[in-house]
Amino acid sequence: GAVVSQHPSWVICKSGTSVKIECRSLDFQATTMFWYRQFPKQSLMLMATSNEGSKATYEQGVEKDKFLINHASLTLSTLTVTSAHPEDSSFYICSAAPWTGQGGETQYFGPGTRLLVL
Amino acid sequence: GENVEQHPSTLSVQEGDSAVIKCTYSDSASNYFPWYKQELGKGPQLIIDIRSNVGEKKDQRIAVTLNKTAKHFSLHITETQPEDSAVYFCAAAPGTASKLTFGTGTRLQVTL
Repeated sequence: GAVVSQHPSWVICKSGTSVKIECRSLDFQATTMFWYRQFPKQSLMLMATSNEGSKATYEQGVEKDKFLINHASLTLSTLTVTSAHPEDSSFYICSAAPWTGQGGETQYFGPGTRLLVL
Repeated sequence: GENVEQHPSTLSVQEGDSAVIKCTYSDSASNYFPWYKQELGKGPQLIIDIRSNVGEKKDQRIAVTLNKTAKHFSLHITETQPEDSAVYFCAAAPGTASKLTFGTGTRLQVTL
């Protein structure tokens, strides 16, 4: 149980193009999904919190117009990197949290999407 | 905001030995503490978690202890195996919110 998928697993694109990454919870409904970015040999950096049916909450320093997040259903959230540039190259990971009612929500992570912008 | 410190950054043990990774947190409101294992090129995998109403939790070779007074929690892996080699992250989350703050990670290497 608690499987989260991401698509694509890796993408190479030219500078200036937009890239969409999908995150799906396969066997549970996720009221909240999260998007992280991870640089080599570093920890996970939270970019934004996405709640179904409402606008995402972005962390300080994350450009909301550059990283568009949509959470249209309880099983799908998408991250679109608009006008990607080489500095956007990174490992993007989503997580999904089913509500447990215990005051803390277990996050299950997807396998990640490696983005390389040329 | 919450700050989570994790030590050591790297840990090398021989197969069969135990490994201990320690984390401290700053926000006394945190009450949920998961541990994740991340293998190269993959997403983090939840291996064990603990909530503040419990002092210790064990799952086969893995155990986590929590000391709320001292604001620290630890991961214990016994009888380590080569497949335990990975990067381990601790995290903390406050009461009713779900935002996790991660530690900086520990690269564990289990040698034969």
